[in-house]
Amino acid sequence: GENVEQHPSTLSVQEGDSAVIKCTYSDSASNYFPWYKQELGKRPQLIIDIRSNVGEKKDQRIAVTLNKTAKHFSLHITETQPEDSAVYFCASTTSGSRLTFGEGTQLTVNP
Amino acid sequence: DAGVIQSPRHEVTEMGQEVTLRCKPISGHNSLFWYRQTMMRGLELLIYFNNNVPIDDSGMPEDRFSAKMPNASFSTLKIQPSEPRDSAVYFCASNRQGHQPQHFGDGTRLSIL
Repeated sequence: GENVEQHPSTLSVQEGDSAVIKCTYSDSASNYFPWYKQELGKRPQLIIDIRSNVGEKKDQRIAVTLNKTAKHFSLHITETQPEDSAVYFCASTTSGSRLTFGEGTQLTVNP
Repeated sequence: DAGVIQSPRHEVTEMGQEVTLRCKPISGHNSLFWYRQTMMRGLELLIYFNNNVPIDDSGMPEDRFSAKMPNASFSTLKIQPSEPRDSAVYFCASNRQGHQPQHFGDGTRLSIL
């Protein structure tokens, strides 16, 4: 089955700096890659996603890049703010239904 | 629009008791997923349904766990008998089959004493 690896497991940055989280996947048939943000005690919420026919997608301070050849995708957050502090999960799917999640990255933005 | 609704939000019970967690998916969504989240194991898929039919239950840890979806608007996850190692946050999520993204409920925080 699909395997998704996520790095780093923890990331600490200063407010205003950029943060990058990387994921690799194993199944070359994977075609959808979402990123979820989970604040403490709350549910995972989708923040951005990308499909395999696109190499990059941006939404304000958040961007995701996809390299299908290398089977990896990354989340980029620019101008980080304390409210960006959370756990971020990447995921992938081939079936359009079941998601395989990475293990999560705890991002801390220090004021 | 109401999102995925889970109940109860918190459950504390003694080991050996039966626990039932409930989920109402978003109207029109015909895929439903049950996840368990712990610090040690992260976010694990337990089981998922398409059109009320269980498709993959390979993540269900053991026979003490069972899940049902009697209709399109309701699902239950049952643990009987419960054990302390079942303590976790259990999330339900839904989407339209083949369409993303999945939408998560607020979860049930389960503590087995």
